Amino acid sequence: AAGVIQSPRHLIKEKRETATLKCYPIPRHDTVYWYQQGPGQDPQFLISFYEKMQSDKGSIPDRFSAQQFSDYHSELNMSSLELGDSALYFCASSLVWGWTGGGHTEAFFGQGTRLTVV
Amino acid sequence: DAKTTQPTSMDCAEGRAANLPCNHSTISGNEYVYWYRQIHSQGPQYIIHGLKNNETNEMASLIITEDRKSSTLILPHATLRDTAVYYCIVKGGQGGKLIFGQGTELSVKP
Repeated sequence: AAGVIQSPRHLIKEKRETATLKCYPIPRHDTVYWYQQGPGQDPQFLISFYEKMQSDKGSIPDRFSAQQFSDYHSELNMSSLELGDSALYFCASSLVWGWTGGGHTEAFFGQGTRLTVV
Repeated sequence: DAKTTQPTSMDCAEGRAANLPCNHSTISGNEYVYWYRQIHSQGPQYIIHGLKNNETNEMASLIITEDRKSSTLILPHATLRDTAVYYCIVKGGQGGKLIFGQGTELSVKP
């Protein structure tokens, strides 16, 4: 079965550079979530999109932005990178129907992008 | 979403059942209990979820107490590949983000 695809798997950037992480959800899934996991930490929610609209926002720095495109893939753009941005970045997708009273599938995670800022 | 409490770490002998407890005393009526696990540096993996009835799938069983204030994830025959951090998460049923708290680091030993 198709899974969540993230690219690239590894990325090395210098301080103050920009990075773009991509996420391709499971086909027919309409919701995408982004998480950041620093070394030795638990995954922290950044932002989510439902049907291409931002649906929730967590502890995402102002230097980061994200969007979901018409084909439902999502991109996380990170600017002015800092050493502390070095982390694993996970994307997850799920199918949610009737956001306020329908149903949903569980969230499935990709294998992540390891970003190293030097 | 309700807060959960899990032991920091547990050991289990290979081939034995692993029973991972979770307290969620502030759970509300429409919130589900989800279990995910994360094998070192891999993406979190869904295991099972439930509302109030016990649930079983090919990976595990979920036992929820009658008052819903706690639950136990059971891996019936743990293998070395089950070594991972296990997260118990409580959240509402309609989509919505998963909030990962401190999970239980399960070590399965030969």
